[in-house]
Amino acid sequence: GAVVSQHPSRVICKSGTSVKIECRSLDFQATTMFWYRQFPKQSLMLMATSNEGSKATYEQGVEKDKFLINHASLTLSTLTVTSAHPEDSSFYICSASVGGLGEKLFFGSGTQLSVL
Amino acid sequence: GENVEQHPSTLSVQEGDSAVIKCTYSDSASNYFPWYKQELGKGPQLIIDIRSNVGEKKDQRIAVTLNKTAKHFSLHITETQPEDSAVYFCAASISGNQFYFGTGTSLTVIP
Repeated sequence: GAVVSQHPSRVICKSGTSVKIECRSLDFQATTMFWYRQFPKQSLMLMATSNEGSKATYEQGVEKDKFLINHASLTLSTLTVTSAHPEDSSFYICSASVGGLGEKLFFGSGTQLSVL
Repeated sequence: GENVEQHPSTLSVQEGDSAVIKCTYSDSASNYFPWYKQELGKGPQLIIDIRSNVGEKKDQRIAVTLNKTAKHFSLHITETQPEDSAVYFCAASISGNQFYFGTGTSLTVIP
């Protein structure tokens, strides 16, 4: 299967700071990348969908100014949590779909964000 | 929009027994149904998938069945092993444009 690399795996930051999470497709070009948020023992909550070179589409209730998504190339998407607060603490996971592989969706390893 | 329901939420089986997880979906246009395994602190891993033109697919101890008429699909794990313990998610998609996930099943395989 395709490999999606996500970094960092864990980050602890102070309230008010910004955190950037990177998501890379290592062996394929990702036409579409998705960002999810996951609370303990819960399912995946889609935050936004990004296509290379265009603005991300955010799900209802997700603040686009707080969760900045950049999909500058076919292999890299970033999520920046701006002015992080304790309530932003969560497990963030990126994923990438590949049309060439039959629209399969592959996930990164996730980032555990803890805001103090 | 699509609604995916998954049952059971928790499942415990003895090692060597079979485990079955069921999902239903609402949108008849959904045509791709992947299953993911998520271990603690990790991202979901694609373990098997099925397309709407196929009724069953098998990969070693894992199999998936699809009933388009009833709009439900199931994951079957045979000869379960402790390393199968994880959370499993089903999903439904319309040609990969959007993925809708079930609420997950926490599987525990008891040695």
